[in-house]
Amino acid sequence: AQKITQTQPGMFVQEKEAVTLDCTYDTSDPSYGLFWYKQPSSGEMIFLIYQGSYDQQNATEGRYSLNFQKARKSANLVISASQLGDSAMYFCAMREGGTTDSWGKLQFGAGTQVVVTP
Amino acid sequence: EPEVTQTPSHQVTQMGQEVILRCVPISNHLYFYWYRQILGQKVEFLVSFYNNEISEKSEIFDDQFSVERPDGSNFTLKIRSTKLEDSAMYFCASRSSGFQETQYFGPGTRLLVL
Repeated sequence: AQKITQTQPGMFVQEKEAVTLDCTYDTSDPSYGLFWYKQPSSGEMIFLIYQGSYDQQNATEGRYSLNFQKARKSANLVISASQLGDSAMYFCAMREGGTTDSWGKLQFGAGTQVVVTP
Repeated sequence: EPEVTQTPSHQVTQMGQEVILRCVPISNHLYFYWYRQILGQKVEFLVSFYNNEISEKSEIFDDQFSVERPDGSNFTLKIRSTKLEDSAMYFCASRSSGFQETQYFGPGTRLLVL
């Protein structure tokens, strides 16, 4: 079974608008972390935002916010005021295991390609 | 700001040849990882490395793969006899201790096996 599901293969959004990228996850571990990474066409993986399973509040980082709905096992990324430079592939990833000895591998979804248009 | 670096950025090799991909993790990080991304596909975990030994590896990481931290800074991935299907982007990542710590990725090495 897929651990991370991103159902939107691609999205178009107009500049200055907000966009929501969906991510659902599957785990029975009570301790986990959810990450979003951005991959522009140049190929590097850029960390955007992190949400821990025990965090009471939704994470925010500048124009990025995470809509964390634990009961639904979803962790959607919201990008506000889209810019042309936001055009990229966006990956949701999960790390399971809550101890400091957890090796911490990330499991990735298939990604969502976002194209921001003028 | 500290960053993970990788060399080379691109490598072309013939099938059956050995390749070594190099990474310099962030200096105070303790956990190191290799991932790969076949073109157009998702990022896949290969191996994690901690305290000078492999801590976890995926099914992809078979006997053709090995990792090493030969000194205090470099972290290498060796593919002994490359296959066509090894063509991919290979990412190195590192993080410090603590469950909440983020993994920071290097820029990747694009490997093409002919």
